[in-house]
Amino acid sequence: ETGVTQTPRHLVMGMTNKKSLKCEQHLGHNAMYWYKQSAKKPLELMFVYSLEERVENNSVPSRFSPECPNSSHLFLHLHTLQPEDSALYLCASSQDGGPANYGYTFGSGTRLTVV
Amino acid sequence: SQQGEEDPQALSIQEGENATMNCSYKTSINNLQWYRQNSGRGLVHLILIRSNEREKHSGRLRVTLDTSKKSSSLLITASRAADTASYFCAVGYGNNRLAFGKGNQVVVIP
Repeated sequence: ETGVTQTPRHLVMGMTNKKSLKCEQHLGHNAMYWYKQSAKKPLELMFVYSLEERVENNSVPSRFSPECPNSSHLFLHLHTLQPEDSALYLCASSQDGGPANYGYTFGSGTRLTVV
Repeated sequence: SQQGEEDPQALSIQEGENATMNCSYKTSINNLQWYRQNSGRGLVHLILIRSNEREKHSGRLRVTLDTSKKSSSLLITASRAADTASYFCAVGYGNNRLAFGKGNQVVVIP
């Protein structure tokens, strides 16, 4: 394990459901991120949290709602998703100095299927 | 865009052979990072090379960086079946930005 834990590992949800993805890290990192990985596309940065404040939201639809209650936990709340939202959702954390200087530690991801 | 682009996109080799993959990018960078992703898992950080470095080693991995050609290569020596994975380059640039490529799939045949 990398030190970043994501649950659940797999999720199948209908378009009218509401579900949440959870991410937890105990590495002492102060920044956490949500990425979306779709087949044959580069990783898409969705949200950035630094010291529990959202510092970046890359034009993500409002049906995705992040929450960062403390520096160790990050959630992604999902509601009324579309089939094209099916993807691997990756959580990552980084230490002081940021990912561009030290890299990310990723979780194993949640494989989301919207039916 | 600034993202790295890996080449070749797919590579199949025999166990014991060396695997080489390349990454090209477009503008100035602070550093370049390589990650590995096993099927259905998260990405694992392998190595970071700074813009003022030309070569770096980590175990069986060797990374080179040529900033004049805006390219980097990752060499895996004496490959093993466990090296089967997708490999991503990511360029660090600007104010703490990191942009990933689409990935390069490597299959090592036992």
